[in-house]
Amino acid sequence: ETGVTQTPRHLVMGMTNKKSLKCEQHLGHNAMYWYKQSAKKPLELMFVYSLEERVENNSVPSRFSPECPNSSHLFLHLHTLQPEDSALYLCASSQDGEFGEKLFFGSGTQLSVL
Amino acid sequence: DQQVKQNSPSLSVQEGRISILNCDYTNSMFDYFLWYKKYPAEGPTFLISISSIKDKNEDGRFTVFLNKSAKHLSLHIVPSQPGDSAVYFCAATQVNYGGSQGNLIFGKGTKLSVKP
Repeated sequence: ETGVTQTPRHLVMGMTNKKSLKCEQHLGHNAMYWYKQSAKKPLELMFVYSLEERVENNSVPSRFSPECPNSSHLFLHLHTLQPEDSALYLCASSQDGEFGEKLFFGSGTQLSVL
Repeated sequence: DQQVKQNSPSLSVQEGRISILNCDYTNSMFDYFLWYKKYPAEGPTFLISISSIKDKNEDGRFTVFLNKSAKHLSLHIVPSQPGDSAVYFCAATQVNYGGSQGNLIFGKGTKLSVKP
């Protein structure tokens, strides 16, 4: 496996369910990110982890809970979501918290909340 | 309010012709701009960038133009190929004191279709 891998690719869940999104990077990077893309909205940064510590949380509701057990893995735990949380969730990684050209994205998880 | 705007949700171009994708921004503190390309079922990938000290950057068939006074940038693809069909995102950022780029602010994207 190379690059940034996300699982599952698609997820349908009810509002009372608990699920987790998984991201794994094979690039040797030390920073990982969660982005959200809602329909007809720009890509938005949700969480930043650098050296496994959360350094930024862009006012994301507590029903989204990130976890970064090591520099290669990132999870997004979901509970009691709302239908408006349906979106494409993208994971990304980079070295030393760099954005721009040095940001590598996974293919995303398309989430539908019923 | 959106700081980076791509006002055309879609664009259709004939193969071999020029594709021009536009992007406007409102924050005058932005000093670095990027274009990303996204195919269906894949994540965005970096395409080309430009610093605010330049007004043009070229990479093969792709050229980005920056007009700072108008807070406008555009991506030109010449000649357009069917494989260029994708969603193109414009993004802007500020370069930090250490020279690293800060968080990217993205536009909503423009879906380009290049017809054979």
